[in-house]
Amino acid sequence: SYELTQPPSVSVSPGQTASITCSGDKLGDKYVCWYQQKPGQSPVLVIYEDTKRPSEIPERFSGSNSGNTATLTISGTQPMDEADYYCQAWDSSTRTVIFGGGTKLTVL
Amino acid sequence: QVQLVQSGAEVRKPGASVTVSCKASVYNFTTYGISWVRQAPGQGLEWMGWISAYTGNTDYAQRVQGRVTMTTDTSTRTAYMDLRSLRSDDTAVYYCANTIFGVGGYYFYMDVWGKGTTVTVSS
Repeated sequence: SYELTQPPSVSVSPGQTASITCSGDKLGDKYVCWYQQKPGQSPVLVIYEDTKRPSEIPERFSGSNSGNTATLTISGTQPMDEADYYCQAWDSSTRTVIFGGGTKLTVL
Repeated sequence: QVQLVQSGAEVRKPGASVTVSCKASVYNFTTYGISWVRQAPGQGLEWMGWISAYTGNTDYAQRVQGRVTMTTDTSTRTAYMDLRSLRSDDTAVYYCANTIFGVGGYYFYMDVWGKGTTVTVSS
């Protein structure tokens, strides 16, 4: 079955750039989206179709996807960005959604 | 924007069934789909399946296939998720999410999420 692999944790200093990766076989051939989840809250879509950002999401969030790796980049990371981030793709061969295991972003 | 209001917390014994509902506050309900995603305590997100509100077609995750049924009532803009033969590892927060699905499955994402329904399975 198709799998998406994320690093369990990423740390970044406030104001710096955070990069969270998501790896999968030929992932660049699929559309990837990203969700942010803060403790006790529902997930929030922050990137869809690899690079698109919902209107309510700050411009500091961006995405890319090529080869076997998709990347969520947060420029000028703020303390409020501390959260768990999940990548997600659709596996058309099995008609199922695949989530990455999640990455805990710490801003310190 | 779409809002999804889920039913309240449930407690069930092993072997029982549970139904979680999700009411959408959107006029064009049938334009989209509804996914169900669960999250066990301290764990990541697990997709359970989705239903197209337009066609009624469903896709389910292999892990719950045979125990889950997803339906919609377009007259009330409500989606339902039935899970049977509950086990202790079904204890989780269950989310419904408005789903955008590209023709041919080229893209699939969940743009609005409900607040979650806690289901506890315990003897």
